[in-house]
Amino acid sequence: QVQLQQSGPRLVKPSQTLSLTCAISGDSVSANTVTWSWFRQSPLRGLEWLGGTYYRSKWNNDYALSVKSRITINPDTTNNQFSLQLNSVTPEDTAVYYCARAKGGYFAYWGQGTLVTVSS
Amino acid sequence: EIVMTQSPATLSVSPGERANLFCRASQSVSNNLAWYQQIPGQAPRLLIYGASTRATGVPARFSGSGSGTELTLAISSLQSEDFAVYYCQQYDTWPWTFGLGTKVEIK
Repeated sequence: QVQLQQSGPRLVKPSQTLSLTCAISGDSVSANTVTWSWFRQSPLRGLEWLGGTYYRSKWNNDYALSVKSRITINPDTTNNQFSLQLNSVTPEDTAVYYCARAKGGYFAYWGQGTLVTVSS
Repeated sequence: EIVMTQSPATLSVSPGERANLFCRASQSVSNNLAWYQQIPGQAPRLLIYGASTRATGVPARFSGSGSGTELTLAISSLQSEDFAVYYCQQYDTWPWTFGLGTKVEIK
């Protein structure tokens, strides 16, 4: 059974970097048939896919255009996890953030969600 | 990118009644569509993939149908635990996109 456990700060100051980690159990971040993604959800934006990382002979990343200039998603093969970094945050980045696994294009496994508030 | 439009935005249904939720794609997604249920405070839960295949553990009262640009999620007899928000997602064309959701509320 795949489980995803999120961790990271719940309060970030404006202009700083939001950082979250998603620890994987029951699967490998290096599996070559899945994609590991980050989402966020807010009343303003609904459910928004932010980006993902996946291994297909080499590591690949895809990012949503809305955050492409500010986002980095990195795999961590040593600890079997992946991370999200979102730079230069503003209050509009306040949301519940989720990590999730896609296989075949749909997301059967999700993290528990982390409410991140951007405020001074 | 493909735009997914869900209707209605809110559906008021009495327990035991049937609910039909609709998802329209701005271009064909074939049968590469998933449905998710989200209860407040929880992560989305996969219900249906491949437009009509129930995910593991999903009750038979949930059924998906359609292909191309018009897809439907039906809940045959609403139970108390089914009152939630439902999202459709296409995975036919990158980037994958979600609808804005349909809230199913108690009438």
